[in-house]
Parts: sequence; structure tokens; C-alpha cells
Amino acid sequence: AQSVSQHNHHVILSEAASLELGCNYSYGGTVNLFWYVQYPGQHLQLLLKYFSGDPLVKGIKGFEAEFIKSKFSFNLRKPSVQWSDTAEYFCAVNRKFSGGYNKLIFGAGTRLAVHP
Amino acid sequence: DAMVIQNPRYQVTQFGKPVTLSCSQTLNHNVMYWYQQKSSQAPKLLFHYYDKDFNNEADTPDNFQSRRPNTSFCFLDIRSPGLGDAAMYLCATSREAGGGYEQYFGPGTRLTVT
Repeated sequence: AQSVSQHNHHVILSEAASLELGCNYSYGGTVNLFWYVQYPGQHLQLLLKYFSGDPLVKGIKGFEAEFIKSKFSFNLRKPSVQWSDTAEYFCAVNRKFSGGYNKLIFGAGTRLAVHP
Repeated sequence: DAMVIQNPRYQVTQFGKPVTLSCSQTLNHNVMYWYQQKSSQAPKLLFHYYDKDFNNEADTPDNFQSRRPNTSFCFLDIRSPGLGDAAMYLCATSREAGGGYEQYFGPGTRLTVT
């Protein structure tokens, strides 16, 4: 089945540790890729997105993600996490379906806890 | 600030008692979406409106319906809630329906069915 897979459901890190969250998708063809973040008690908000061009995408708050087409991956990275990065992170793929409309398919999410 | 607003934030209903969740937006976006998110799962698209055109996902139960009386408002109606419908319901908007357009999410309504 076509899907978006996030490898880690829970990640625990200490402050200043490096972060990499994996995301793989199983769709062929053109896709648009997103990482959304949900801080405790807040709504989903966009962290970064990839549409085309440079496969290394910079987002807000020091996050970046790399699109590797051959691996169908869009992993999220941050060199040094902070306590305030504690949140749930969702990878999502937007693709066109029959009928001409686009649909955002989410991964199951990764819950990140950063300890001071 | 332009935003997506959902009311109420928490809703408790009884098994089989109809319930309506509300979403409004000040972004003047053409597209509005409703997602269902159960604990530790990905948000799942139920349906969306492009302007007044309604698009239902094939696996959305008939128990779920939606109305969009104008650009700003969209409602999710659950005709006969079951225990399995307890979830967070997310409303989102996007300016257009193309793949390159970001979706903006509301804070969600957590539905409890007793």
C-alpha cells in the first residue's frame, strides 16, 4: 500500500544532541514533501517543505531536511536540539489523485522529548 | 492574526447523539479540509471542500457529513457517534488545491463519546 513511514515513534535526547528523524514514502512520480510540528497543546504548523530544486531544505528553528529521490526519503535533521524542540513531528507527502485533487498523506508521527 | 479557529476545543457527546464541530478561517482560502486523528496515529483526511465543491474520501463513513455555507465556515456533522469516533478532529485550509500549497491547521476539537 502507498504510505508514508516514520521510523521512530518515540525519540528521547539530551539538549545539544543531534537529531535525525527518518521519513520514507512509497509513491512514484512527482511529490511535494512536508514536515509539520505539533508542540504540546498547540496546532500543527509547517516546519519546512520541498517542492523542487535544491534537495537540502532549510526550515524554521534551525531544522533542515534532505530529499533523496533514489531512496524515497525526506529525513529531518537538527545539529543541536533544545528543550523547546519537544514536540511531535509529522512527515507528509502531497500528491495528486484521480479527479485532479491533491491529498496530504501523513506519517504516524515521531514524539520527541528533549531533556535539559 | 489570520488563522483557523475550531470550536469547541473539547466536545463530549453521548453514543448516538448527533454532534456538530465548527471551523472558521480568516485566511480567505479556497480549500477547507477535515481530518480525524486518533491517538498515536496519523491524521486521516475525511473530506475537503474546494470552494463549494465537496470531495468525500472513499473510506469516510456515511455517518460523517460536512457543510460549507460560505468561504469562512465549515462544519463537520456526526449523525450518530459511536465509541470508535472518539478522536481529535482537525480542520485545515489551503489557498488552492494544488500540491504546492501549504495547509494551515486549526487547534483541533477533541471529541469524547460516552
